[in-house]
Amino acid sequence: ETGVTQSPTHLIKTRGQQVTLRCSSQSGHNTVSWYQQALGQGPQFIFQYYREEENGRGNFPPRFSGLQFPNYSSELNVNALELDDSALYLCASSFGQANTEAFFGQGTRLTVV
Amino acid sequence: KNEVEQSPQNLTAQEGEFITINCSYSVGISALHWLQQHPGGGIVSLFMLSSGKKKHGRLIATINIQEKHSSLHITASHPRDSAVYICAPRGSNYQLIWGAGTKLIIKP
Repeated sequence: ETGVTQSPTHLIKTRGQQVTLRCSSQSGHNTVSWYQQALGQGPQFIFQYYREEENGRGNFPPRFSGLQFPNYSSELNVNALELDDSALYLCASSFGQANTEAFFGQGTRLTVV
Repeated sequence: KNEVEQSPQNLTAQEGEFITINCSYSVGISALHWLQQHPGGGIVSLFMLSSGKKKHGRLIATINIQEKHSSLHITASHPRDSAVYICAPRGSNYQLIWGAGTKLIIKP
């Protein structure tokens, strides 16, 4: 039990739709990172938020966007869904940006049909 | 060449054996994480290292910053240790750089 909760756990969407995934950080953690893990591959960094500001981004198009709220919970939004967006989406929370332990949620498995 | 190289990619061993998984990286890092991923996706952080050695139960992790190398050891391995183990250095823009993972199977 890491204290990081993601919702929903599973989701099926149609191509072209929009989706919002949610992450509730461990208490006291002010940093959240989002990762996409396609089937059989390693996770790819999407972006990181620190104190409500995006402070790092991977190689993902602008239709992937995020928010971090004052209580440090977070959302990942994906617009204009494509079939290749089907993946496990993981969030990780930590206190501070760099040399701190990261705690992962169980992930949201998104299927785009 | 990948920024993070893990070896072996797959490892099958008998219960009780001593397990070593190696990780070499080519980029400058601030810290290195060892993570465990079970079937179904859940990821657990095992260690975060920036120098030296850490021990937690039967797990030991070491890092040599000068040689850009880290190892994860499991003593007295058990079938419940079967999982994918991932080395993930933290790069300069805070992101984790993920290794390909080592799939470990421990047979009873």
